[in-house]
Amino acid sequence: QKEVEQNSGPLSVPEGAIASLNCTYSDRGSQSFFWYRQYSGKSPELIMSIYSNGDKEDGRFTAQLNKASQYVSLLIRDSQPSDSATYLCAVLNQAGTALIFGKGTTLSVSS
Amino acid sequence: EAQVTQNPRYLITVTGKKLTVTCSQNMNHEYMSWYRQDPGLGLRQIYYSMNVEVTDKGDVPEGYKVSRKEKRNFPLILESPSPNQTSLYFCASSPANPRVLFFGSGTQLSVL
Repeated sequence: QKEVEQNSGPLSVPEGAIASLNCTYSDRGSQSFFWYRQYSGKSPELIMSIYSNGDKEDGRFTAQLNKASQYVSLLIRDSQPSDSATYLCAVLNQAGTALIFGKGTTLSVSS
Repeated sequence: EAQVTQNPRYLITVTGKKLTVTCSQNMNHEYMSWYRQDPGLGLRQIYYSMNVEVTDKGDVPEGYKVSRKEKRNFPLILESPSPNQTSLYFCASSPANPRVLFFGSGTQLSVL
C-alpha cells in the first residue's frame, strides 16, 4: 500500500512566523505532488502543486520537493491567523487514477 | 458558479436501510471520485470514474456502489449501510485526471 506520511501536529506558530509542514511518501515512482488546505468543517481546496525537484513559490507559500529523499514540504511565510487549518499532502498514484492523501497536519497561528 | 454539489449534507440512518448520496458537477469534468474521511485515517478513495460509464474501485470500495450514466452525476449508493460506514463523505471532480480536485461540501453520514 502506497503511503503518504505527515506529522499530525498541532503545529503552533505566532503570527508573522514561518510555518514549515513536512510530508514523506513511499512510492519512489511518484511524479506529482500537491498541498490541499482544509478549514474545520469545510472541504479540502488545492493551494499548491509541484512536479519537479526544487522550490516553487506562490505568494506566501513555497512548496519544496526532493524526489531522492521522497520528501515534500510546504513553507508558509508571514503566517496569519487565517492560515490556521489542516494541511493535506497528496501524491498522484502511478496509474494516474487517484490522489493518495496524508492524514494532515493541523496548523494553529496565534495572534 | 462552478461547483460540485452533494446532497444531503447530513444524514442519520439505521443499519440495512439503503441510501444514496448524490453528487453533481457543472464544470463538464471527465473525472469524478468519492472519498471518505475518518479521524486518524485521513481521506481514502472509495470509487472513481474517468469518464461516463467507466468506474473503478479505489482503496475502500467494500459496501459501496456507484454509477456514471451522465457526465455530471456520480451517485454513491450504500445498499445495506453498517455502523462502520459512519463517516464524512466527499465527492470530487477534475477536468481529466485527479491532479486538481474540486471537492463538494461533504456529507456527514451516521449509521445507527
